[in-house]
Amino acid sequence: GQSLEQPSEVTAVEGAIVQINCTYQTSGFYGLSWYQQHDGGAPTFLSYNALDGLEETGRFSSFLSRSDSYGYLLLQELQMKDSASYFCAVLNYGGSQGNLIFGKGTKLSVKP
Amino acid sequence: EAGVAQSPRYKIIEKRQSVAFWCNPISGHATLYWYQQILGQGPKLLIQFQNNGVVDDSQLPKDRFSAERLKGVDSTLKIQPAKLEDSAVYLCASSLGRSNSYEQYFGPGTRLTVT
Repeated sequence: GQSLEQPSEVTAVEGAIVQINCTYQTSGFYGLSWYQQHDGGAPTFLSYNALDGLEETGRFSSFLSRSDSYGYLLLQELQMKDSASYFCAVLNYGGSQGNLIFGKGTKLSVKP
Repeated sequence: EAGVAQSPRYKIIEKRQSVAFWCNPISGHATLYWYQQILGQGPKLLIQFQNNGVVDDSQLPKDRFSAERLKGVDSTLKIQPAKLEDSAVYLCASSLGRSNSYEQYFGPGTRLTVT
Protein backbone atom coordinates (compact mmCIF):
# COMPACT_ATOMS: atom_id res chain seq x y z
CA GLY A 1 0.00 0.00 0.00
CA GLN A 2 0.90 3.64 -0.01
CA SER A 3 1.01 5.87 3.07
CA LEU A 4 2.27 9.25 4.16
CA GLU A 5 2.71 10.33 7.77
CA GLN A 6 2.93 13.91 9.00
CA PRO A 7 2.05 15.48 12.35
CA SER A 8 -1.54 16.62 12.60
CA GLU A 9 -0.82 19.92 14.38
CA VAL A 10 2.13 22.18 15.12
CA THR A 11 2.16 25.45 17.08
CA ALA A 12 4.93 28.06 16.98
CA VAL A 13 5.44 31.75 17.71
CA GLU A 14 6.04 34.58 15.29
CA GLY A 15 9.65 34.87 14.20
CA ALA A 16 10.46 31.29 15.12
CA ILE A 17 11.51 28.37 12.91
CA VAL A 18 9.33 25.28 12.49
CA GLN A 19 9.98 21.96 10.76
CA ILE A 20 7.16 19.76 9.45
CA ASN A 21 8.23 16.17 8.86
CA CYS A 22 6.84 13.72 6.34
CA THR A 23 7.59 10.02 6.02
CA TYR A 24 6.22 7.94 3.19
CA GLN A 25 5.83 4.40 1.97
CA THR A 26 5.02 4.08 -1.69
CA SER A 27 5.93 2.31 -4.89
CA GLY A 28 6.79 4.28 -7.99
CA PHE A 29 8.18 7.21 -5.97
CA TYR A 30 9.46 10.05 -8.12
CA GLY A 31 9.56 13.07 -5.82
CA LEU A 32 8.00 14.97 -2.92
CA SER A 33 5.93 18.15 -3.20
CA TRP A 34 4.69 20.51 -0.51
CA TYR A 35 1.47 22.52 -0.62
CA GLN A 36 -0.01 25.20 1.62
CA GLN A 37 -3.75 25.57 2.18
CA HIS A 38 -5.40 28.33 4.18
CA ASP A 39 -8.81 27.61 5.72
CA GLY A 40 -11.41 27.75 2.96
CA GLY A 41 -8.75 28.28 0.32
CA ALA A 42 -7.16 26.31 -2.47
CA PRO A 43 -3.92 24.36 -2.05
CA THR A 44 -0.95 26.29 -3.44
CA PHE A 45 2.35 24.79 -4.50
CA LEU A 46 5.37 25.56 -2.32
CA SER A 47 8.25 23.33 -3.38
CA TYR A 48 9.33 20.06 -4.95
CA ASN A 49 12.26 17.71 -4.33
CA ALA A 50 13.19 14.99 -6.79
CA LEU A 51 16.74 14.56 -5.54
CA ASP A 52 18.23 14.22 -2.07
CA GLY A 53 19.10 17.48 -0.39
CA LEU A 54 17.76 20.89 0.46
CA GLU A 55 15.79 23.23 -1.79
CA GLU A 56 15.44 26.83 -0.62
CA THR A 57 12.75 29.27 -1.70
CA GLY A 58 12.80 32.43 0.37
CA ARG A 59 11.71 31.70 3.94
CA PHE A 60 10.73 28.14 3.03
CA SER A 61 13.08 25.21 2.50
CA SER A 62 12.33 21.59 1.74
CA PHE A 63 14.51 18.54 2.26
CA LEU A 64 14.39 15.00 0.91
CA SER A 65 16.20 11.80 1.82
CA ARG A 66 15.15 9.07 -0.59
CA SER A 67 17.05 6.37 1.29
CA ASP A 68 15.12 7.19 4.49
CA SER A 69 11.78 7.81 2.71
CA TYR A 70 11.68 11.08 4.61
CA GLY A 71 11.33 14.75 3.90
CA TYR A 72 10.60 17.97 5.73
CA LEU A 73 9.43 21.51 5.17
CA LEU A 74 11.28 24.22 7.08
CA LEU A 75 9.60 27.55 7.64
CA GLN A 76 11.79 30.38 8.94
CA GLU A 77 10.93 33.80 10.36
CA LEU A 78 7.36 32.68 10.91
CA GLN A 79 4.62 35.21 10.22
CA MET A 80 0.97 35.17 11.26
CA LYS A 81 -0.01 34.64 7.62
CA ASP A 82 1.84 31.29 7.67
CA SER A 83 -0.99 29.86 9.79
CA ALA A 84 -2.39 27.23 7.43
CA SER A 85 -2.38 23.52 6.69
CA TYR A 86 0.69 22.08 5.00
CA PHE A 87 0.51 18.91 2.92
CA CYS A 88 3.31 16.71 1.71
CA ALA A 89 2.47 14.87 -1.49
CA VAL A 90 4.31 12.02 -3.14
CA LEU A 91 4.65 12.17 -6.90
CA ASN A 92 4.03 8.67 -8.18
CA TYR A 93 4.60 7.38 -11.66
CA GLY A 94 2.52 4.42 -12.64
CA GLY A 95 1.98 3.57 -16.26
CA SER A 96 2.34 6.68 -18.35
CA GLN A 97 1.19 9.34 -15.95
CA GLY A 98 2.32 10.94 -12.74
CA ASN A 99 -0.07 11.80 -9.98
CA LEU A 100 0.16 13.22 -6.47
CA ILE A 101 -0.80 11.31 -3.34
CA PHE A 102 -1.40 13.73 -0.48
CA GLY A 103 -0.83 13.28 3.23
CA LYS A 104 -3.50 14.26 5.75
CA GLY A 105 -1.86 17.62 6.38
CA THR A 106 -0.29 19.46 9.30
CA LYS A 107 -2.19 22.40 10.74
CA LEU A 108 0.28 25.12 11.70
CA SER A 109 -0.81 27.76 14.17
CA VAL A 110 1.44 30.79 14.54
CA LYS A 111 0.98 32.71 17.79
CA PRO A 112 2.00 36.33 18.38
CA GLU B 1 -2.63 34.86 -16.07
CA ALA B 2 -6.09 33.71 -15.03
CA GLY B 3 -6.21 30.87 -12.53
CA VAL B 4 -8.31 27.72 -12.47
CA ALA B 5 -12.00 28.59 -12.40
CA GLN B 6 -14.67 26.44 -10.79
CA SER B 7 -18.40 26.74 -10.33
CA PRO B 8 -20.53 26.66 -8.37
CA ARG B 9 -18.64 27.55 -5.18
CA TYR B 10 -21.26 26.00 -2.92
CA LYS B 11 -24.00 23.44 -3.46
CA ILE B 12 -26.50 21.85 -1.10
CA ILE B 13 -28.52 18.88 -2.32
CA GLU B 14 -30.51 16.02 -0.84
CA LYS B 15 -29.27 12.46 -1.03
CA ARG B 16 -30.15 10.64 -4.23
CA GLN B 17 -30.20 13.92 -6.19
CA SER B 18 -27.68 14.65 -8.92
CA VAL B 19 -25.13 17.47 -9.11
CA ALA B 20 -22.56 18.71 -11.61
CA PHE B 21 -19.41 20.76 -11.16
CA TRP B 22 -17.59 22.73 -13.83
CA CYS B 23 -13.89 23.53 -14.18
CA ASN B 24 -11.92 25.72 -16.57
CA PRO B 25 -8.16 25.12 -16.24
CA ILE B 26 -5.33 27.54 -16.88
CA SER B 27 -4.96 28.19 -20.59
CA GLY B 28 -2.45 25.84 -22.18
CA HIS B 29 -2.47 23.30 -19.37
CA ALA B 30 -2.81 19.85 -20.89
CA THR B 31 -3.38 17.90 -17.67
CA LEU B 32 -6.51 18.32 -15.55
CA TYR B 33 -7.30 16.68 -12.22
CA TRP B 34 -10.40 16.34 -10.05
CA TYR B 35 -9.89 15.80 -6.32
CA GLN B 36 -12.20 15.15 -3.41
CA GLN B 37 -11.17 16.72 -0.10
CA ILE B 38 -13.03 15.64 3.00
CA LEU B 39 -12.74 17.95 6.01
CA GLY B 40 -9.48 17.39 7.86
CA GLN B 41 -7.89 15.30 5.12
CA GLY B 42 -5.69 15.83 2.10
CA PRO B 43 -7.04 15.96 -1.44
CA LYS B 44 -7.75 12.54 -2.96
CA LEU B 45 -7.41 12.15 -6.71
CA LEU B 46 -10.61 11.08 -8.46
CA ILE B 47 -9.66 11.36 -12.11
CA GLN B 48 -6.87 12.70 -14.30
CA PHE B 49 -7.14 13.84 -17.92
CA GLN B 50 -4.38 14.39 -20.43
CA ASN B 51 -5.94 16.68 -23.03
CA ASN B 52 -9.37 15.07 -23.58
CA GLY B 53 -8.39 11.53 -22.64
CA VAL B 54 -8.68 9.82 -19.26
CA VAL B 55 -5.32 8.57 -17.99
CA ASP B 56 -6.25 7.61 -14.42
CA ASP B 57 -9.72 7.04 -12.99
CA SER B 58 -8.83 4.19 -10.66
CA GLN B 59 -10.28 5.97 -7.59
CA LEU B 60 -13.43 7.27 -9.22
CA PRO B 61 -16.60 5.54 -7.91
CA LYS B 62 -17.84 4.85 -11.39
CA ASP B 63 -21.27 3.63 -10.30
CA ARG B 64 -22.18 7.20 -9.33
CA PHE B 65 -19.42 9.56 -10.51
CA SER B 66 -18.64 10.52 -14.09
CA ALA B 67 -16.41 13.13 -15.67
CA GLU B 68 -15.60 14.41 -19.09
CA ARG B 69 -13.27 16.91 -20.69
CA LEU B 70 -14.67 17.80 -24.06
CA LYS B 71 -12.24 19.40 -26.53
CA GLY B 72 -9.44 19.10 -23.98
CA VAL B 73 -10.28 22.31 -22.14
CA ASP B 74 -13.27 22.60 -19.76
CA SER B 75 -14.30 19.66 -17.64
CA THR B 76 -17.40 18.60 -15.74
CA LEU B 77 -17.71 16.18 -12.84
CA LYS B 78 -21.11 14.68 -12.09
CA ILE B 79 -22.48 12.74 -9.15
CA GLN B 80 -25.68 10.76 -9.63
CA PRO B 81 -27.14 9.77 -7.22
CA ALA B 82 -25.43 11.56 -4.35
CA LYS B 83 -24.84 9.94 -0.97
CA LEU B 84 -24.28 11.56 2.42
CA GLU B 85 -20.61 10.54 2.33
CA ASP B 86 -20.09 12.61 -0.83
CA SER B 87 -20.17 15.78 1.29
CA ALA B 88 -16.75 17.29 0.64
CA VAL B 89 -14.90 19.99 -1.29
CA TYR B 90 -14.34 19.08 -4.93
CA LEU B 91 -11.14 20.62 -6.24
CA CYS B 92 -10.08 20.96 -9.83
CA ALA B 93 -6.40 21.40 -10.64
CA SER B 94 -4.30 21.66 -13.78
CA SER B 95 -0.66 21.37 -14.76
CA LEU B 96 1.29 22.08 -17.92
CA GLY B 97 1.71 18.40 -18.64
CA ARG B 98 2.62 15.06 -17.18
CA SER B 99 6.22 16.14 -16.55
CA ASN B 100 4.92 18.98 -14.35
CA SER B 101 2.53 16.89 -12.27
CA TYR B 102 4.43 17.87 -9.12
CA GLU B 103 3.28 21.49 -9.54
CA GLN B 104 -0.46 21.70 -9.82
CA TYR B 105 -2.60 24.81 -9.79
CA PHE B 106 -5.84 24.44 -7.87
CA GLY B 107 -9.16 26.16 -8.26
CA PRO B 108 -11.15 27.49 -5.27
CA GLY B 109 -13.23 24.31 -5.10
CA THR B 110 -16.91 23.51 -4.80
CA ARG B 111 -18.15 22.78 -1.29
CA LEU B 112 -20.87 20.10 -1.58
CA THR B 113 -23.23 19.36 1.27
CA VAL B 114 -25.50 16.33 0.91
CA THR B 115 -28.40 16.24 3.37
